[in-house]
Amino acid sequence: EVQLVESGGGLVQRGGSLRLSCAASGFTFSRYWMHWVRQAPGKGLVWVSRISSDGSSTSNADSVKGRFTISRDNANNTLYLQMNSLRAEDTAVYFCARAAEQLVSLVDYWGQGTLVTVSS
Amino acid sequence: SYVLTQPPSVSVAPGQTARITCGGNNIGSKSVHWYQQKPGQAPVLVVYDDSDRPSGIPERFSGSNSGNTATLTISRVEAGDEADYYCQVWDSSSDQYVFGTGTKVTVL
Repeated sequence: EVQLVESGGGLVQRGGSLRLSCAASGFTFSRYWMHWVRQAPGKGLVWVSRISSDGSSTSNADSVKGRFTISRDNANNTLYLQMNSLRAEDTAVYFCARAAEQLVSLVDYWGQGTLVTVSS
Repeated sequence: SYVLTQPPSVSVAPGQTARITCGGNNIGSKSVHWYQQKPGQAPVLVVYDDSDRPSGIPERFSGSNSGNTATLTISRVEAGDEADYYCQVWDSSSDQYVFGTGTKVTVL
Protein backbone atom coordinates (compact mmCIF):
# COMPACT_ATOMS: atom_id res chain seq x y z
CA GLU A 1 0.00 0.00 0.00
CA VAL A 2 1.32 3.41 -1.02
CA GLN A 3 1.79 5.69 1.98
CA LEU A 4 2.96 9.30 2.08
CA VAL A 5 3.30 10.85 5.55
CA GLU A 6 4.15 14.52 5.87
CA SER A 7 5.71 16.12 8.93
CA GLY A 8 7.42 19.33 9.95
CA GLY A 9 4.52 21.75 9.79
CA GLY A 10 3.79 24.25 12.52
CA LEU A 11 3.66 27.90 13.47
CA VAL A 12 6.45 30.15 12.19
CA GLN A 13 6.94 33.90 12.12
CA ARG A 14 6.90 35.89 8.92
CA GLY A 15 10.34 35.82 7.34
CA GLY A 16 11.22 32.56 9.06
CA SER A 17 12.08 29.13 7.72
CA LEU A 18 10.65 25.64 7.95
CA ARG A 19 11.53 22.27 6.45
CA LEU A 20 8.81 19.80 5.58
CA SER A 21 9.46 16.08 5.22
CA CYS A 22 7.46 13.34 3.53
CA ALA A 23 8.17 9.70 4.35
CA ALA A 24 7.24 7.38 1.50
CA SER A 25 6.54 3.66 1.70
CA GLY A 26 4.80 0.90 -0.21
CA PHE A 27 6.50 1.64 -3.55
CA THR A 28 9.97 2.07 -5.07
CA PHE A 29 10.44 5.73 -4.18
CA SER A 30 13.50 6.24 -6.40
CA ARG A 31 11.48 5.52 -9.56
CA TYR A 32 8.91 8.25 -9.13
CA TRP A 33 8.74 12.00 -9.61
CA MET A 34 7.30 13.73 -6.55
CA HIS A 35 5.38 16.95 -5.84
CA TRP A 36 4.39 19.36 -3.13
CA VAL A 37 0.91 20.87 -3.42
CA ARG A 38 -0.64 23.32 -0.97
CA GLN A 39 -4.11 24.45 0.02
CA ALA A 40 -4.78 27.63 1.96
CA PRO A 41 -7.68 27.44 4.46
CA GLY A 42 -10.96 27.33 2.54
CA LYS A 43 -9.20 27.72 -0.80
CA GLY A 44 -8.27 25.54 -3.76
CA LEU A 45 -5.30 23.33 -4.57
CA VAL A 46 -2.12 25.06 -5.72
CA TRP A 47 0.90 23.22 -7.09
CA VAL A 48 4.18 24.23 -5.43
CA SER A 49 7.15 22.15 -6.57
CA ARG A 50 8.17 19.00 -8.47
CA ILE A 51 11.31 16.90 -8.48
CA SER A 52 12.42 14.17 -10.87
CA SER A 53 13.05 10.63 -9.71
CA ASP A 54 16.81 11.07 -9.36
CA GLY A 55 16.61 14.64 -8.10
CA SER A 56 18.42 16.11 -11.09
CA SER A 57 15.47 18.19 -12.28
CA THR A 58 13.16 20.45 -10.31
CA SER A 59 10.43 22.95 -11.09
CA ASN A 60 8.69 25.50 -8.90
CA ALA A 61 5.62 27.69 -8.99
CA ASP A 62 6.37 31.35 -9.65
CA SER A 63 5.02 32.26 -6.20
CA VAL A 64 7.77 30.31 -4.42
CA LYS A 65 10.73 30.64 -6.78
CA GLY A 66 13.86 31.72 -4.94
CA ARG A 67 12.30 30.93 -1.54
CA PHE A 68 11.37 27.21 -1.57
CA THR A 69 13.63 24.29 -2.48
CA ILE A 70 12.45 20.75 -3.13
CA SER A 71 14.87 17.86 -2.59
CA ARG A 72 14.87 14.13 -1.92
CA ASP A 73 16.84 11.36 -0.26
CA ASN A 74 16.25 8.18 -2.24
CA ALA A 75 18.28 6.11 0.19
CA ASN A 76 15.84 6.97 2.96
CA ASN A 77 12.66 7.29 0.88
CA THR A 78 12.10 10.87 1.95
CA LEU A 79 10.99 14.03 0.15
CA TYR A 80 11.72 17.50 1.51
CA LEU A 81 10.57 21.07 1.07
CA GLN A 82 12.82 23.78 2.48
CA MET A 83 10.78 26.96 2.89
CA ASN A 84 12.56 30.26 3.51
CA SER A 85 11.41 33.88 3.74
CA LEU A 86 7.94 32.72 4.65
CA ARG A 87 4.99 35.05 4.08
CA ALA A 88 1.48 35.12 5.51
CA GLU A 89 0.18 33.90 2.14
CA ASP A 90 2.23 30.70 2.49
CA THR A 91 -0.14 29.60 5.27
CA ALA A 92 -1.66 26.35 4.02
CA VAL A 93 -1.88 22.61 4.33
CA TYR A 94 1.04 21.17 2.35
CA PHE A 95 0.47 17.83 0.62
CA CYS A 96 3.19 15.50 -0.54
CA ALA A 97 2.11 13.72 -3.72
CA ARG A 98 3.42 11.13 -6.14
CA ALA A 99 3.46 11.46 -9.92
CA ALA A 100 2.33 8.43 -11.90
CA GLU A 101 5.31 6.55 -13.29
CA GLN A 102 4.02 6.30 -16.87
CA LEU A 103 2.29 9.67 -16.98
CA VAL A 104 4.28 12.25 -15.04
CA SER A 105 1.69 14.96 -15.61
CA LEU A 106 -0.59 13.00 -13.28
CA VAL A 107 -0.60 12.95 -9.47
CA ASP A 108 -1.86 9.54 -8.42
CA TYR A 109 -1.33 9.38 -4.64
CA TRP A 110 -1.49 12.05 -1.94
CA GLY A 111 -0.48 12.28 1.69
CA GLN A 112 -2.82 13.67 4.33
CA GLY A 113 -0.98 16.97 4.57
CA THR A 114 0.78 19.06 7.21
CA LEU A 115 -0.35 22.53 8.25
CA VAL A 116 1.99 25.48 8.01
CA THR A 117 0.89 28.72 9.68
CA VAL A 118 2.85 31.90 9.13
CA SER A 119 2.13 34.56 11.70
CA SER A 120 2.57 38.24 11.09
CA SER B 1 0.95 31.41 -16.88
CA TYR B 2 -1.67 28.88 -17.87
CA VAL B 3 -5.08 29.30 -16.22
CA LEU B 4 -7.85 26.74 -15.72
CA THR B 5 -11.31 28.10 -14.94
CA GLN B 6 -14.10 26.10 -13.30
CA PRO B 7 -17.58 27.15 -12.15
CA PRO B 8 -17.55 27.74 -8.36
CA SER B 9 -20.52 25.50 -7.74
CA VAL B 10 -22.84 22.96 -9.33
CA SER B 11 -26.05 21.71 -7.73
CA VAL B 12 -27.74 18.49 -8.76
CA ALA B 13 -30.57 16.30 -7.52
CA PRO B 14 -29.85 12.66 -6.60
CA GLY B 15 -30.03 10.40 -9.63
CA GLN B 16 -29.42 13.23 -12.07
CA THR B 17 -26.27 14.14 -14.02
CA ALA B 18 -23.67 16.69 -12.93
CA ARG B 19 -21.36 18.24 -15.48
CA ILE B 20 -18.30 20.20 -14.35
CA THR B 21 -16.40 22.22 -16.92
CA CYS B 22 -12.74 23.20 -16.95
CA GLY B 23 -11.80 25.95 -19.37
CA GLY B 24 -8.31 26.63 -20.64
CA ASN B 25 -6.62 27.88 -23.79
CA ASN B 26 -6.47 24.94 -26.22
CA ILE B 27 -6.91 22.54 -23.31
CA GLY B 28 -7.90 19.88 -25.84
CA SER B 29 -4.20 19.51 -26.66
CA LYS B 30 -3.35 18.63 -23.07
CA SER B 31 -3.95 15.63 -20.83
CA VAL B 32 -6.53 16.54 -18.18
CA HIS B 33 -6.91 14.90 -14.78
CA TRP B 34 -9.72 15.28 -12.25
CA TYR B 35 -9.60 15.00 -8.45
CA GLN B 36 -12.33 14.75 -5.84
CA GLN B 37 -11.75 16.24 -2.40
CA LYS B 38 -14.05 15.86 0.56
CA PRO B 39 -13.76 18.13 3.62
CA GLY B 40 -10.69 17.44 5.72
CA GLN B 41 -9.39 14.80 3.34
CA ALA B 42 -6.68 14.52 0.72
CA PRO B 43 -7.71 14.66 -2.94
CA VAL B 44 -8.55 11.44 -4.74
CA LEU B 45 -8.03 10.88 -8.46
CA VAL B 46 -11.31 10.12 -10.26
CA VAL B 47 -10.44 10.56 -13.95
CA TYR B 48 -7.04 10.76 -15.66
CA ASP B 49 -5.77 11.41 -19.17
CA ASP B 50 -9.05 13.07 -20.15
CA SER B 51 -11.33 10.06 -19.82
CA ASP B 52 -9.72 7.08 -18.08
CA ARG B 53 -10.79 5.89 -14.64
CA PRO B 54 -8.49 4.52 -11.93
CA SER B 55 -9.44 1.16 -10.50
CA GLY B 56 -12.11 1.47 -7.85
CA ILE B 57 -13.75 4.57 -9.34
CA PRO B 58 -17.36 3.94 -10.43
CA GLU B 59 -18.28 4.04 -14.12
CA ARG B 60 -20.59 6.92 -13.22
CA PHE B 61 -17.52 9.17 -13.44
CA SER B 62 -16.47 10.03 -16.99
CA GLY B 63 -14.50 12.74 -18.75
CA SER B 64 -14.07 14.41 -22.10
CA ASN B 65 -11.76 17.06 -23.51
CA SER B 66 -11.92 19.11 -26.70
CA GLY B 67 -11.10 22.60 -27.87
CA ASN B 68 -11.01 24.96 -24.92
CA THR B 69 -13.10 22.90 -22.50
CA ALA B 70 -12.70 19.68 -20.56
CA THR B 71 -15.71 18.18 -18.78
CA LEU B 72 -16.16 15.81 -15.87
CA THR B 73 -19.55 14.10 -15.92
CA ILE B 74 -21.03 12.37 -12.89
CA SER B 75 -24.04 10.24 -13.84
CA ARG B 76 -26.70 9.03 -11.42
CA VAL B 77 -25.39 11.34 -8.73
CA GLU B 78 -25.36 10.05 -5.16
CA ALA B 79 -25.14 11.88 -1.85
CA GLY B 80 -21.60 10.57 -1.43
CA ASP B 81 -20.49 12.47 -4.55
CA GLU B 82 -20.85 15.77 -2.72
CA ALA B 83 -17.33 17.22 -2.71
CA ASP B 84 -14.98 19.71 -4.35
CA TYR B 85 -13.66 18.74 -7.78
CA TYR B 86 -10.48 20.02 -9.41
CA CYS B 87 -9.13 19.65 -12.92
CA GLN B 88 -5.35 19.63 -13.50
CA VAL B 89 -2.91 19.76 -16.40
CA TRP B 90 0.81 20.04 -16.96
CA ASP B 91 1.82 23.16 -18.89
CA SER B 92 4.83 22.01 -20.88
CA SER B 93 5.80 25.53 -21.98
CA SER B 94 6.53 26.57 -18.39
CA ASP B 95 7.07 23.10 -16.89
CA GLN B 96 4.46 23.90 -14.26
CA TYR B 97 1.49 21.96 -13.02
CA VAL B 98 -1.80 23.81 -12.91
CA PHE B 99 -4.97 23.11 -10.96
CA GLY B 100 -8.35 24.51 -11.80
CA THR B 101 -10.14 26.89 -9.48
CA GLY B 102 -12.32 24.09 -8.12
CA THR B 103 -16.05 23.32 -8.21
CA LYS B 104 -18.19 22.48 -5.21
CA VAL B 105 -20.78 19.88 -6.09
CA THR B 106 -23.88 19.99 -3.90
CA VAL B 107 -26.39 17.16 -3.95
CA LEU B 108 -29.84 18.61 -3.28
